[in-house]
Amino acid sequence: GENVEQHPSTLSVQEGDSAVIKCTYSDSASNYFPWYKQELGKRPQLIIDIRSNVGEKKDQRIAVTLNKTAKHFSLHITETQPEDSAVYFCAATAAGNKLTFGGGTRVLVKP
Amino acid sequence: NAGVTQTPKFQVLKTGQSMTLQCAQDMNHEYMSWYRQDPGMGLRLIHYSVGAGITDQGEVPNGYNVSRSTTEDFPLRLLSAAPSQTSVYFCASSYSDGIEAFFGQGTRLTVV
Repeated sequence: GENVEQHPSTLSVQEGDSAVIKCTYSDSASNYFPWYKQELGKRPQLIIDIRSNVGEKKDQRIAVTLNKTAKHFSLHITETQPEDSAVYFCAATAAGNKLTFGGGTRVLVKP
Repeated sequence: NAGVTQTPKFQVLKTGQSMTLQCAQDMNHEYMSWYRQDPGMGLRLIHYSVGAGITDQGEVPNGYNVSRSTTEDFPLRLLSAAPSQTSVYFCASSYSDGIEAFFGQGTRLTVV
């Protein structure tokens, strides 16, 4: 089955700096790669996703890149703000919606 | 729409007890799944369903049962609770595969 690895497990950045989280996946059949943000005590919520026919996608301060050949994808957050502090999860799925999640990255944005 | 609703929010069980975590969605989603979240281990898939009457095992199914008699409901049953099942449980649903999954608010379960 699919295996998703996520790095780093924790990330501390100064407000205004950029944050980058990287994930690798094992199943070459995976074709959908969402990113979820989970604030403390809350449910995970989708912030951006990318499909295997696209190399990059942006939404305001966040962007995701996908390298299918290398089987890795990354989340980029620019101009970080204190409200970006949360745990971020990457995931990958092939057919059947069996989402496989990475282990999560705890991001702390220091004012 | 209420989205995905889980009950209860908190539960304490004694070892060996059984219970059912409830999950309901009102978005007419075909896909539903259960995850457990443990510190440092992300979200691990327990069981999932691609439609009423169809269920399958995920990554960590042992000790849990599910059924899907209706599109709306997907209960998770703990057969004989063990301390290793102490975790936060999330139910999720989506319209199809490769589409955003919506999560319930979670159930924090403690087994003593």
